[in-house]
Amino acid sequence: GQNIDQPTEMTATEGAIVQINCTYQTSGFNGLFWYQQHAGEAPTFLSYNVLDGLEEKGRFSSFLSRSKGYSYLLLKELQMKDSASYLCAVRDKDSSYKLIFGSGTRLLVRP
Amino acid sequence: GAVVSQHPSWVICKSGTSVKIECRSLDFQATTMFWYRQFPKQSLMLMATSNEGSKATYEQGVEKDKFLINHASLTLSTLTVTSAHPEDSSFYICSARDRNRATNEKLFFGSGTQLSVL
Repeated sequence: GQNIDQPTEMTATEGAIVQINCTYQTSGFNGLFWYQQHAGEAPTFLSYNVLDGLEEKGRFSSFLSRSKGYSYLLLKELQMKDSASYLCAVRDKDSSYKLIFGSGTRLLVRP
Repeated sequence: GAVVSQHPSWVICKSGTSVKIECRSLDFQATTMFWYRQFPKQSLMLMATSNEGSKATYEQGVEKDKFLINHASLTLSTLTVTSAHPEDSSFYICSARDRNRATNEKLFFGSGTQLSVL
């Protein structure tokens, strides 16, 4: 079966650093995505990891460990506009780009 | 990034009517599109994979006769919710794959359709 777990909610302070974890157990694996979604809007792409290690992209970084079925999204220098849901998604093993999403983590950034 | 247009943005309908949602890739050809539904404060649940020129592949538990998908061209997929009932009220989002894009961002999402069935 497919199982992707994320914390439901997190709260952090403006200017701080927050790490959102994601663990997965899926029948196949061909990469892991992180998306940001504001309420009532479409998800927007943040990062993609297919090999182990850290991918850095400005204030956002994403880490993957395939042997542990684990990823995290690191947000630095938090801004109020970072308050959103963060979705972890695993790409199926075939080439169709079928994504299975985790439950999402709602992040609240406070002043 | 590439643009995916989804219409309508919101729709209110009476129970028993059918509602059609369109998903268009505006600046690329999408041989594969995906349809998701999302309940409040929950994540996206994949409903079906829409392939141009062939039948859609539905996820387990999704009624294909209830949610009709047509992918008649490389830029358009439609989802029709037939005989809608209040429990079908949800946020529906499509995504399209741009296979020719060189970056890792190959999947682009529409802006979603909020369906409310009275």
